[in-house]
Order: sequence, then structure tokens, then C-alpha cells
Amino acid sequence: ILNVEQSPQSLHVQEGDSTNFTCSFPSSNFYALHWYRWETAKSPEALFVMTLNGDEKKKGRISATLNTKEGYSYLYIKGSQPEDSATYLCATRTSYGKLTFGQGTILTVHP
Amino acid sequence: KAGVTQTPRYLIKTRGQQVTLSCSPISGHRSVSWYQQTPGQGLQFLFEYFSETQRNKGNFPGRFSGRQFSNSRSEMNVSTLELGDSALYLCASSAGELGRTDTQYFGPGTRLTVL
Repeated sequence: ILNVEQSPQSLHVQEGDSTNFTCSFPSSNFYALHWYRWETAKSPEALFVMTLNGDEKKKGRISATLNTKEGYSYLYIKGSQPEDSATYLCATRTSYGKLTFGQGTILTVHP
Repeated sequence: KAGVTQTPRYLIKTRGQQVTLSCSPISGHRSVSWYQQTPGQGLQFLFEYFSETQRNKGNFPGRFSGRQFSNSRSEMNVSTLELGDSALYLCASSAGELGRTDTQYFGPGTRLTVL
């Protein structure tokens, strides 16, 4: 992996479904991984910052895990609600300081 | 606390002109980063400033420049505008020296259209 990659690009789920998406990143020079939620017509909002292999973070129905050795992070949403509809971005910061974003996963939750 | 503010919110320019965008961070925040968002490229890192010093720079041509003032407010300038510079420009601030795990707080962005 040379860049930060997110999959899938887009996802449509029904209200109440649980869902997850992936952020893959180069494991060399890794320093931190950030997850953001970006709703239409709003500013990106920080969800989590993770640094250690095996880190797990939780905020309400949203949680994230981190595997720095293999270079991936999962974001989980339990019991999706229409208000969860947004673009979910991950970004990695290397030890050199540069922050690199993935292209995002667009989540649409249908009532 | 007031959030990150960016001015102007919308801007229309023509090719060859230059433009200056402004960002006021959250009070007390000393680090400011700038990003360009285009549909095809996603969020691309432009620069990062801390205490008036540029700490990191993304892969953008020299037409893109920035600075940070002693009150942490930041400006970015784009000279000789090209059509491809049409984008949403986002500014983000954080409390400490970026490069660690500080949360970045984003502004609403400036939508630049180059005709």
C-alpha cells in the first residue's frame, strides 16, 4: 500500500443495519490515524485519533480499531440511523508529520 | 468558543488572477493547516503552520503559498490562477504542535471558482 485507501467508496444501508468500512495505509513511518465524519454542507468533524496497534475507540454507536502492523483500521457503526449518512474519512500522519487523507467512504442510511 | 472561521466563503476569479484566503483558528489554537478538496482528488494537504513557521508542505506548485501571523490567523495565496484550482479550500486548527495526536477542527471552507 503506497497511499491511504478506503473501501468501499460508497455504501447504502437500511436504518438499523450495522456496517463497517476499511482504511488501509502504509505501515512504515506510521504515527497516528484519524477518522473524520463529513456531513453535507458541514465541516469535517473529528471522530477518533488512534496511535497504538490494537487501539480500539468508541463513541456512541461508532467504534474503530487499528492494526498498525498490517496497516488497516476498521470503522463500525452499529444500528445505523439516517443521521449517520455522511462521508467518512480516514487520514494517517507519518513520523515526518504529513497528514494524508483517503478518498472517503460515502454512507447513505435509508429510513 | 467560536469555531474556525474562513473568509470569504465563496469566491469567483478568472484565470491568471491571484487570490488570498483567510482563516481564523479557534481561540488559543496555535496550529493551522490548509487543505484542497476536489471531487476527483479528495482532501489534499497544502501546508501546516505552527507559531508562524511552516512545518510541513504538500505537493503543490509554488503558486500556492501561505503564512501565519502572530495571532495564529493564517492566509493562503494562490497566484496565476488556473481552472484546475477551482476547489473547496479548508482550514483546520489544533491546539498544539501538529505532528502528534491533536484533533484538528475544520472551518466551513472557501469555495473558489476559477473561470
